[in-house]
Amino acid sequence: AAGVIQSPRHLIKEKRETATLKCYPIPRHDTVYWYQQGPGQDPQFLISFYEKMQSDKGSIPDRFSAQQFSDYHSELNMSSLELGDSALYFCASRWQETQYFGPGTRLLVL
Amino acid sequence: GENVEQHPSTLSVQEGDSAVIKCTYSDSASNYFPWYKQELGKGPQLIIDIRSNVGEKKDQRIAVTLNKTAKHFSLHITETQPEDSAVYFCAASTTNFGNEKLTFGTGTRLTIIP
Repeated sequence: AAGVIQSPRHLIKEKRETATLKCYPIPRHDTVYWYQQGPGQDPQFLISFYEKMQSDKGSIPDRFSAQQFSDYHSELNMSSLELGDSALYFCASRWQETQYFGPGTRLLVL
Repeated sequence: GENVEQHPSTLSVQEGDSAVIKCTYSDSASNYFPWYKQELGKGPQLIIDIRSNVGEKKDQRIAVTLNKTAKHFSLHITETQPEDSAVYFCAASTTNFGNEKLTFGTGTRLTIIP
């Protein structure tokens, strides 16, 4: 069965650089969620999109932005990266109540 | 907002024994409670979920119970196997449009001792 696809899987950036993370939801899933997971922590909700419109917003820094495109894939743009942005970033797509998570992008900021 | 507490943070059980993980939530509007298993370096994988109109759900060796009045729910794994070793997260959400984000518990690292 098709799963959520995220790219890249690993990313290394310098402080103050920008990063773009991509998410391809499971076909026919119309809602995408982004979560950030620090080392040894639980995933924290960042932002979500339904039918290409932002549907909810969590603890997402102003330096981050995201959007969902006409083909339903989503991108998380992160600017002025800080050391504390190093984390796993997960995308999830939703069918009915259930959210299905991708494999994540591991971001390391040096 | 919702707050989910999860206990214990670590749990070691002998292979073949049962494991129980407990969670409490704060928001009475929450009506959907999934459990995720996360292996090292991988994304959370849904293992079972329960909705607020159901008190118990079972899927082979895994069961979840929900007490809406007390606002707590539990995961039960029977006949544990080495491959059950992972971090388990409970979560809570509503099914109200625009407010379906998952609030996770802090996780339980389960170790199955062969």
